[in-house]
Amino acid sequence: QKEVEQNSGPLSVPEGAIASLNCTYSDRVSQSFFWYRQYSGKSPELIMSIYSNGDKEDGRFTAQLNKASQYVSLLIRDSQPSDSATYLCAVERGSARQLTFGSGTQLTVLP
Amino acid sequence: SAVISQKPSRDICQRGTSLTIQCQVDSQVTMMFWYRQQPGQSLTLIATANQGSEATYESGFVIDKFPISRPNLTFSTLTVSNMSPEDSSIYLCSVGDSTDTQYFGPGTRLTVL
Repeated sequence: QKEVEQNSGPLSVPEGAIASLNCTYSDRVSQSFFWYRQYSGKSPELIMSIYSNGDKEDGRFTAQLNKASQYVSLLIRDSQPSDSATYLCAVERGSARQLTFGSGTQLTVLP
Repeated sequence: SAVISQKPSRDICQRGTSLTIQCQVDSQVTMMFWYRQQPGQSLTLIATANQGSEATYESGFVIDKFPISRPNLTFSTLTVSNMSPEDSSIYLCSVGDSTDTQYFGPGTRLTVL
């Protein structure tokens, strides 16, 4: 089992729809979780961090964390073509704060 | 967040040579990391660059192949030694803040012929 798994893509949604990205992790002691967005040819940029069970909202983005199920998700409301990118789930491990990344989900928002 | 720069932004190298990549941050940071992103793949952590001591390498990465320096809290280098075409990747440095969040530099795109 991979340490961090993301739902297989690519994912296509029409403009204005909700995009749902999912991630599961294997290490029960992980406490910090991150979503990064990576445009083609660019480096990853942080979208959201989440540390506690429940939802965290930031504009059109909502991160959801369920530690009992070892599950973290990202919802993008009112998706825009500019949201088209690869979304990477990252889970912190260890006292030295290393991150383990999932394989990424490529999202395309169709105009 | 800190401003991170990397040099070079890209390079094309011959097999058997070495390349040193620099990472500069505009403020002092405790945590610095080096990642590799192979074509079409996600990010894989190479090592944690420790200031004043040897880097901590992840499984599958060794110091002879990827020597790292961290002379101070704003600068680190990663050398890719004795390169082969399999080393063609994007190499990224990142810095961590007090909330464990990591921010990435722009990356170095390396092609080995």
